[in-house]
Amino acid sequence: ETGVTQTPRHLVMGMTNKKSLKCEQHLGHNAMYWYKQSAKKPLELMFVYNFKEQTENNSVPSRFSPECPNSSHLFLHLHTLQPEDSALYLCASSGNRGGAKNIQYFGAGTRLSVL
Amino acid sequence: AQKITQTQPGMFVQEKEAVTLDCTYDTSDPSYGLFWYKQPSSGEMIFLIYQGSYDQQNATEGRYSLNFQKARKSANLVISASQLGDSAMYFCAMTVKSSGGSYIPTFGRGTSLIVHP
Repeated sequence: ETGVTQTPRHLVMGMTNKKSLKCEQHLGHNAMYWYKQSAKKPLELMFVYNFKEQTENNSVPSRFSPECPNSSHLFLHLHTLQPEDSALYLCASSGNRGGAKNIQYFGAGTRLSVL
Repeated sequence: AQKITQTQPGMFVQEKEAVTLDCTYDTSDPSYGLFWYKQPSSGEMIFLIYQGSYDQQNATEGRYSLNFQKARKSANLVISASQLGDSAMYFCAMTVKSSGGSYIPTFGRGTSLIVHP
């Protein structure tokens, strides 16, 4: 069983729907991340939380709303998405104590399709 | 700004042969970390190997080694004795300290490796 679990694995939603992605880590880490992976594009960092506080927001549109209730759980709330938001959304966690040796542990991702 | 360049979109290798995946990086920060991750078709990114900017020796982890040439700003991944299970996307990444105080990775576009029997 992976240390980082993402649900659902697949999601199809219309542009007017509201849905949420969930990420849970069992590694005792204090930092959690959301990434977007689109075809033919590098992995894009979206949000970073450290000890439940958001420390990075890479100019992500407001239709993506993150929530981190504790160091083990991370959500990404989605509403009024666009077809170009279709992608693989990856969650990761790290201990964030190793300085530059910030090894990230990833979940298997949620494959999102926006119709 | 940090930049990672992987110039090989796809690579092929015969089973049991060695293969080198290229990665060059650009940063003005003297302290940074370099990583390689593997992404099989299942989607999960798997950490393979790490090299710190101040490390004197090249990192090795089993069949993986990182050929770190600091002056050339390159961090190539060498996989020895390739196996069929090595077929996957491989991503090079670099971390530097952000203005927010966290170490944030920047990823390259990846190289697709196919191992032939």
